[in-house]
Amino acid sequence: EDKVVQSPLSLVVHEGDTVTLNCSYEVTNFRSLLWYKQEKKAPTFLFMLTSSGIEKKSGRLSSILDKKELFSILNITATQTGDSAVYLCALAGGTSYGKLTFGQGTILTVHP
Amino acid sequence: KAGVTQTPRYLIKTRGQQVTLSCSPISGHRSVSWYQQTPGQGLQFLFEYFSETQRNKGNFPGRFSGRQFSNSRSEMNVSTLELGDSALYLCASSLLEGRSSNQETQYFGPGTRLLVL
Repeated sequence: EDKVVQSPLSLVVHEGDTVTLNCSYEVTNFRSLLWYKQEKKAPTFLFMLTSSGIEKKSGRLSSILDKKELFSILNITATQTGDSAVYLCALAGGTSYGKLTFGQGTILTVHP
Repeated sequence: KAGVTQTPRYLIKTRGQQVTLSCSPISGHRSVSWYQQTPGQGLQFLFEYFSETQRNKGNFPGRFSGRQFSNSRSEMNVSTLELGDSALYLCASSLLEGRSSNQETQYFGPGTRLLVL
């Protein structure tokens, strides 16, 4: 069965800090790994990664995948209070199309 | 383009009752997936529908069922509600049709928060 483990489970930083969130996984037949940000309600899509070593960037956020070591990281530079949220890592794999397997999430709190 | 919409947004039911939740996907998306989110278990996959057919099902009891209509709108039903069914129910849509990973990004609706008393 597919498995996703995120670390740390929670993180408290101050504005301006840089954070690195980790996601390790076990899967048969990897297809893609996705990152989402969840504030009060719906998870919002951040990145989709399918190939190793190719960094995806969006503003202060970036993410990279290592398919050999089976992990991904999400970096946030110059954090702001608006980055406070739960960050979710999700895996698409196996033969179950339409199903994402989620990690527990990392709760990020950014203090002013 | 409008996002995924879910109704109702909040619901209070009592044990033993049944409930129906509705989800309208992003226009053009034909795959609809449902998830249950609780503080203890996180986000767990319930089922996925495409072209009115259930293609995948998670590890939930038969009390949880769903269907999809020809316009891709989907409903989820929970019968004989239990206290443990209290959760945020999220619906997500994607362009996924065949087996192309480029189309697997799922976009989530705001969820329906169900409280069972």
